[in-house]
Amino acid sequence: GAVVSQHPSWVICKSGTSVKIECRSLDFQATTMFWYRQFPKKSLMLMATSNEGSKATYEQGVEKDKFLINHASLTLSTLTVTSAHPEDSSFYICSARDSGIISEKLFFGSGTQLSVL
Amino acid sequence: QKEVEQDPGPLSVPEGAIVSLNCTYSNSAFQYFMWYRQYSRKGPELLMYTYSSGNKEDGRFTAQVDKSSKYISLFIRDSQPSDSATYLCASGSGNTGKLIFGQGTTLQVKP
Repeated sequence: GAVVSQHPSWVICKSGTSVKIECRSLDFQATTMFWYRQFPKKSLMLMATSNEGSKATYEQGVEKDKFLINHASLTLSTLTVTSAHPEDSSFYICSARDSGIISEKLFFGSGTQLSVL
Repeated sequence: QKEVEQDPGPLSVPEGAIVSLNCTYSNSAFQYFMWYRQYSRKGPELLMYTYSSGNKEDGRFTAQVDKSSKYISLFIRDSQPSDSATYLCASGSGNTGKLIFGQGTTLQVKP
C-alpha cells in the first residue's frame, strides 16, 4: 500500500517557538494532503486541506496564521505551528490521496505528538 | 448532531469472539464509507472501503453498509489480541477527499 511518512514523530518545545511538521508521500504523488488534529480519546478533526501549488483551505475555526501550511511539491506538505502555546499541544496527523488513481482512499502518516511547555 | 456518530466504548471481548462495531451517519450525500484501525499514538490504517449498500469481506473483516437506515458496521471474526485498537468509521462524498470521522471505538481483545 501507499506510504506516507510524517516527521518528527514527537516534539517538545517551549512556549512561543514555532514547530514544523513534514508529511511526505513516499511512493506516489499527492496533489492534495490533509492535516488533522486529534485529542486523547477523540476523533480526528480536519484542520485544513493542503493543495500543491496553491493556498491551503482551512476549516472553520482554524487560525490560518497559527497553522501555516505549505505544499510546494507533489510529495511534500508541511504544517508549521507558529508561536506555539500549551493549548496547541496535541497529536497532529497528515493524510494524502494518490493523485494517479481515481480513489477516495486516504493514507495516513504516523502522526506527530506535540507538547508545548 | 454529529454527521457520523460512533459509540466510543470501550469494548472488551475474549479472544476468538465476533466483534461488531457500528456507526450511524446523518448526511444522505455520503457516497463512500471506510473503516480505519488506529493503534495508540499512531496514524490510522485503512481496513475496509465500501461504496454501496451491502457486505464486503476481507479475511476476518466484514464491512456492512445500509444506506436506507444510514448504518455502517464492521465485523471482526475470530478476534485476536492484536486486534486491540481504536476503530474509526469515516464517510465522505464527492471528489474532495474530505472524510468525516466518527469518534472511534476502543476495542480490547483479552487472551
